[in-house]
Amino acid sequence: QSVLTQPPSVSGAPGQRVTISCTGSSSNIGAGYDVHWYQQLPGTAPKLLIYGNSNRPSGVPDRFSGSKSGTSASLAITGLQAEDEADYYCQSYDSRRTVFGGGTKLTVL
Amino acid sequence: EVQLVESGGGLVQPGGSLRLSCAASGFTFSSYWMSWVRQAPGKGLEWVANIKQDGSEKYYVDSVKGRFTISRDNAKNSLYLQMNSLRAEDTAVYYCARTKKRGEMDVWGKGTTVTVSS
Repeated sequence: QSVLTQPPSVSGAPGQRVTISCTGSSSNIGAGYDVHWYQQLPGTAPKLLIYGNSNRPSGVPDRFSGSKSGTSASLAITGLQAEDEADYYCQSYDSRRTVFGGGTKLTVL
Repeated sequence: EVQLVESGGGLVQPGGSLRLSCAASGFTFSSYWMSWVRQAPGKGLEWVANIKQDGSEKYYVDSVKGRFTISRDNAKNSLYLQMNSLRAEDTAVYYCARTKKRGEMDVWGKGTTVTVSS
């Protein structure tokens, strides 16, 4: 059972917009800790997608965006493409320990 | 090129030990926190441990406390994970990751596989 809760799966058609939620509590996201997001393509290492709640590293398309409110955070992907099919993870802190969400599998229909 | 390369994985019996290494290149290793993250087969990411730039602070997930030790050698640009009393549930791909000041892990290695089985 992960400290951060993500939906196991989401799906969308090419061109559509999808969101992935990351629900925490007052001891992690609600305590003001930053949320980061990672994309993991099949068989590869995770890649940083969003850091500090809403910032994109260089090279990440602006189709990806992040937000945070209260004890939750969200990752939004617009203009869905086949290459976005992957697992997505949120990450934050809790009691001075790094924690990950359980992960969300995005299927592009 | 900024790069992390893990090594040292393999097959080990329950109760055995293994030492993982992570060689860093292309950046000033001594300026960054470093982390180990693992992923069991078919499962999600699990943070294992991290270490401050000078090694003065170390943190562990509860399930490995007392069994695993994270360390680093800044002169050799290397990160280590000493794993003792290994259990079947430690079977996973182990990644090392550069960790920045807000906690994000911006550079990852390709991982090394640890299998604990008799």
